[in-house]
Amino acid sequence: QVQLQESGPGLVKPSETLSLTCTVSGGSISGYYWSWIRQPPGNRPEWIGQIYYGGSTNYNPSLDSRVTISVDTSKNQFSLRLSSVTAADTAVYYCVRDWDGDSHFDSWGQGILVTVSS
Amino acid sequence: DVVLTQSPLSLPVTLGQPASISCRSSQSLVHSNGNTYLNWFQQRPGQSPRRLIYKVSNRDSGVPDRFSGSGSGTDFTLKISRVETEDVGVYYCMQGTSRIRTFGQGTKVEIK
Repeated sequence: QVQLQESGPGLVKPSETLSLTCTVSGGSISGYYWSWIRQPPGNRPEWIGQIYYGGSTNYNPSLDSRVTISVDTSKNQFSLRLSSVTAADTAVYYCVRDWDGDSHFDSWGQGILVTVSS
Repeated sequence: DVVLTQSPLSLPVTLGQPASISCRSSQSLVHSNGNTYLNWFQQRPGQSPRRLIYKVSNRDSGVPDRFSGSGSGTDFTLKISRVETEDVGVYYCMQGTSRIRTFGQGTKVEIK
């Protein structure tokens, strides 16, 4: 079973850029689609966007202008950048295997809480 | 965006009794390839969501057979045949048919 692990700062200042990395182990990042999902406290998960191992991306229109997802196949990692953050971006951020060729969201990271505060 | 509406939002259940959660979609979840990408997730307190059911009715490996999924088109149901203590948590339906993946609001299952 593939394993995913998020890493990055747990505290980001308003107006700055949130940056997270997901390291995939137990399997290759190649051949699959990968997503970032966030979950504000007490709310449902929200899909942020996805990336194919080849680099093509697809973002949630609600965040499109602020989101960049990239991939580094040599490190088996993919990353999230979310610019101009506000308190509304405070959430647990998950990296997820989006599509395994047959189904969606079968493997999740443990999540990382990112708080936006000065 | 596809809107998923779950009911009920809160579900108190007696141990050993059945439970049922509904998920209704604002549009058909049948993909152009004929598959229906409706999934169910369980989120226990303090944990990541865990997928239980994919493509409406396929149980994931390790998921107890007391969990079952059914439905078609826009109406879907997750059933727990006999609720156990470990089933406490929030359950979400999620669709992957649309380019923009969306989740239901969640149903909180608790023991009476």
